[in-house]
Amino acid sequence: AQSVTQLGSHVSVSEGALVLLRCNYSSSVPPYLFWYVQYPNQGLQLLLKYTTGATLVKGINGFEAEFKKSETSFHLTKPSAHMSDAAEYFCAVGIGNTPLVFGKGTRLSVIA
Amino acid sequence: EAGVVQSPRYKIIEKKQPVAFWCNPISGHNTLYWYRQNLGQGPELLIRYENEEAVDDSQLPKDRFSAERLKGVDSTLKIQPAELGDSAVYLCASSPTVIGYGYTFGSGTRLTVV
Repeated sequence: AQSVTQLGSHVSVSEGALVLLRCNYSSSVPPYLFWYVQYPNQGLQLLLKYTTGATLVKGINGFEAEFKKSETSFHLTKPSAHMSDAAEYFCAVGIGNTPLVFGKGTRLSVIA
Repeated sequence: EAGVVQSPRYKIIEKKQPVAFWCNPISGHNTLYWYRQNLGQGPELLIRYENEEAVDDSQLPKDRFSAERLKGVDSTLKIQPAELGDSAVYLCASSPTVIGYGYTFGSGTRLTVV
């Protein structure tokens, strides 16, 4: 069965600084990988996804992630943090048609 | 297009009482999911429907939880009787039957059992 580990339950960055949220997965077959963002009292919103092809994927709000098979990682980055990026971020993995498995989440705080 | 609609947004009930949540998925999405999100955790699957058929309900506590998706459109999740440990956010999501498409989530129902 697939699984996801998000390193760091809370990450704090200064406004304008690089954002790096880490995600490692475990899967016996090539996975599909997703990043979702959750703002307070809201559902999850898809940021970006990797299915096949280019390993560097770009998403909404300036975020991107790179699939590294050798490292079983799918880290999320953004060059310059904005106050509005403060939220909870979830990495998820899927294989075939099985339901997505989510990580425990990383709370991003942005300091002015 | 309208997103995934859930109601109610918030519900407070006493333990041992019944409660029901409703979800209307995006039109044309054949697959519907109910996830439970405990405080500070990621969503965990309760049940998945393909049209009106429950195809993955191994994580649903069947002694007190039930779900239905009549006519393969909207769905209801019920808890009877509720326990204190059921306090969580219940999220509904839908997707087309396309591998790797990703899910669209509703805003969730925050349940508090007192």
